[in-house]
Amino acid sequence: QVQLQESGPGLVKPSQTLSLTCTVSGGSINSSNYYWSWIRQPAGKGLEWIGRIHTRGGAKYNPSLKSRVTISVDTSKNQFSLELSSVTAADTAVYYCSRVPFWSGHYYMDVWGKGTTVTVSS
Amino acid sequence: EIVLTQSPGTLSLSPGERATLSCRASQSVSSSYLAWYQQKPGQAPRLLIYGASSRATGISDRFSGSGSGTDFTLTISRLEPEDFTVYYCQQYGNSPWTFGQGTKVVIK
Repeated sequence: QVQLQESGPGLVKPSQTLSLTCTVSGGSINSSNYYWSWIRQPAGKGLEWIGRIHTRGGAKYNPSLKSRVTISVDTSKNQFSLELSSVTAADTAVYYCSRVPFWSGHYYMDVWGKGTTVTVSS
Repeated sequence: EIVLTQSPGTLSLSPGERATLSCRASQSVSSSYLAWYQQKPGQAPRLLIYGASSRATGISDRFSGSGSGTDFTLTISRLEPEDFTVYYCQQYGNSPWTFGQGTKVVIK
């Protein structure tokens, strides 16, 4: 059974770049049937989709973050990553990675990591 | 961007009662590409429903989804103690994918 695990610094200084990695276990990230996605959730608030990537195609981002976001994939390590530049306190949130099976136009998120809390503070 | 509005914000019910949660979209959601998730405190969301009405693997048949176009509903037929938590809808028919703000189901 596929499991996802986020990792990275829990504290990032303002104006710096947030970098997180999601490690996929129990299955291959190289499957053609899945996208891999990042979502975030500020404390006590709702969910925001950040972007997604496929190992055989490009990434797609939420326009609200597009100028600051890069999602990449490393198939040799079965990982995908998130970089968010020029962070501010507004980027403080729990960050989740997820698997997105796609078929017949469906793109729901069926497996999630446990999430990792990132705080932006000096 | 499609904005999803969930109502009510908080739903107060007793165990054994029926819960009806609403998700309204600012424009039509293509082909009913709408999902529902359950999120318990300190946990990641869990997929309940996709395609507006298809239950995800392992989800109890107490959970059902319906709707099309701009109006969607999640129904929990008989509330169990573990169902009292937060529920989100999400549309994936248009990019960017968007979520509703959530409905919290609390014990009356």
